[in-house]
Amino acid sequence: NAGVMQNPRHLVRRRGQEARLRCSPMKGHSHVYWYRQLPEEGLKFMVYLQKENIIDESGMPKERFSAEFPKEGPSILRIQQVVRGDSAAYFCASSPLSVNEQFFGPGTRLTVL
Amino acid sequence: AQRVTQPEKLLSVFKGAPVELKCNYSYSGSPELFWYVQYSRQRLQLLLRHISRESIKGFTADLNKGETSFHLKKPFAQEEDSAMYYCASGMDSSYKLIFGSGTRLLVRP
Repeated sequence: NAGVMQNPRHLVRRRGQEARLRCSPMKGHSHVYWYRQLPEEGLKFMVYLQKENIIDESGMPKERFSAEFPKEGPSILRIQQVVRGDSAAYFCASSPLSVNEQFFGPGTRLTVL
Repeated sequence: AQRVTQPEKLLSVFKGAPVELKCNYSYSGSPELFWYVQYSRQRLQLLLRHISRESIKGFTADLNKGETSFHLKKPFAQEEDSAMYYCASGMDSSYKLIFGSGTRLLVRP
């Protein structure tokens, strides 16, 4: 089992562009979580998804951010019209059940110029 | 607001010295508490969870509800323990982890 995969590992965007971050959970895991880590801060919960459903998006900014976890393929975190303040490390985690240990991916470091 | 606090950004000790990484939480309910570790160039991984009451790599952590703390301890630090350590809590529902800002442990030879 290769573990949680995230790509790209590094993403550079100019202000106003779109950023798409991908997360492939571990085999057999149907629960996906996205976290954001700003410099010098801890990871902050953004959204929790199961296949084709958003369970909890209470940590997502109200505008420009969206997430999905389709029946087939990876989970996608999409940031439209990026701004400099979106620069951060974005981590994905997965678990087989919602109350299990969360296994983290290596993260995607987004830099907005 | 519910919060996890790690007061030390950096903790530097010599090899063989005892280590205590502090973690305090603010929550009136029954939280589930975790310690995660991130070694250099590796991903975040679970080290301990309070409900299992295990000792992993010589580390232990005890939940103290009176002091709302979950400090991570090891009696004799090793150089390979150098890493970033994050305390986290599953409040309200265990899936939404709330992380502290992390403590970098540096164990010097």
